[in-house]
Amino acid sequence: GNSVTQMEGPVTLSEEAFLTINCTYTATGYPSLFWYVQYPGEGLQLLLKATKADDKGSNKGFEATYRKETTSFHLEKGSVQVSDSAVYFCALSGNTPLVFGKGTRLSVIA
Amino acid sequence: GAVVSQHPSRVICKSGTSVKIECRSLDFQATTMFWYRQFPKKSLMLMATSNEGSKATYEQGVEKDKFLINHASLTLSTLTVTSAHPEDSSFYICSATLTGTSGYNEQFFGPGTRLTVL
Repeated sequence: GNSVTQMEGPVTLSEEAFLTINCTYTATGYPSLFWYVQYPGEGLQLLLKATKADDKGSNKGFEATYRKETTSFHLEKGSVQVSDSAVYFCALSGNTPLVFGKGTRLSVIA
Repeated sequence: GAVVSQHPSRVICKSGTSVKIECRSLDFQATTMFWYRQFPKKSLMLMATSNEGSKATYEQGVEKDKFLINHASLTLSTLTVTSAHPEDSSFYICSATLTGTSGYNEQFFGPGTRLTVL
C-alpha cells in the first residue's frame, strides 16, 4: 500500500539557517504529494503541493520538488525564521484519503 | 478559499458521557469528509471516511459503535464519541474534499477539536 517516510525530528535550527526535511514515498500509480504544517495548538494547513513528476511546489519561501526517480519530495527553505517553528507533515494521495508521514517537529531559535 | 470549521475547539467531559464534534465546510459542498485522530507527538490516523447520505467507512481497528459518524448534509459531518473514556482523549481533526473543475480532489482541514476525558 501507499506509505510516506519522513525524517524524524526534532530538528533545531538557528534563525536564517537552511532547512531540509526529507520525505520519501511508496505508492502505486502517480500520487499527488503534499506538505502540511501544523502550528502549536492548531489544525493542519496545506503548505505546498505537487501533482506530477518534476513539479515544484512553493509557498512562504518553502519549496519541494516531486522526484519520481528517487520517490522523494524533500522540503527546503533557504532561511528559516522563528515563526516557522511547527510540525511538518509529508503526505501523498493517489486517491483520497491522504496518507501522512509521522511528522517532523522544527524548532527555530533566535 | 475553502474553509472547514470544527466545533467545539476544546471539550472536557466526564468518563461515560458522549461528546459530539461537528465538522462543516463553510463555502463549498463536500460529499466526502474524513475524520482523523492525532495522538501526542504522532501523525494523523485516519479513523473513517464519511459519505453524505450513506454509512461511514471505518478503518480497521476503529470501533464504529463507539465513534458514530453522521454525514447529514453536503456541508456537515458529525463525530460522536459515545461513552467516552480517558483513553479517548485526543486531538480529532476532520477534512472535507473539494473537487475542482479539473476533477482534482483536494482536502481542506478543520482546526481540530481537543477532547479531554476525565
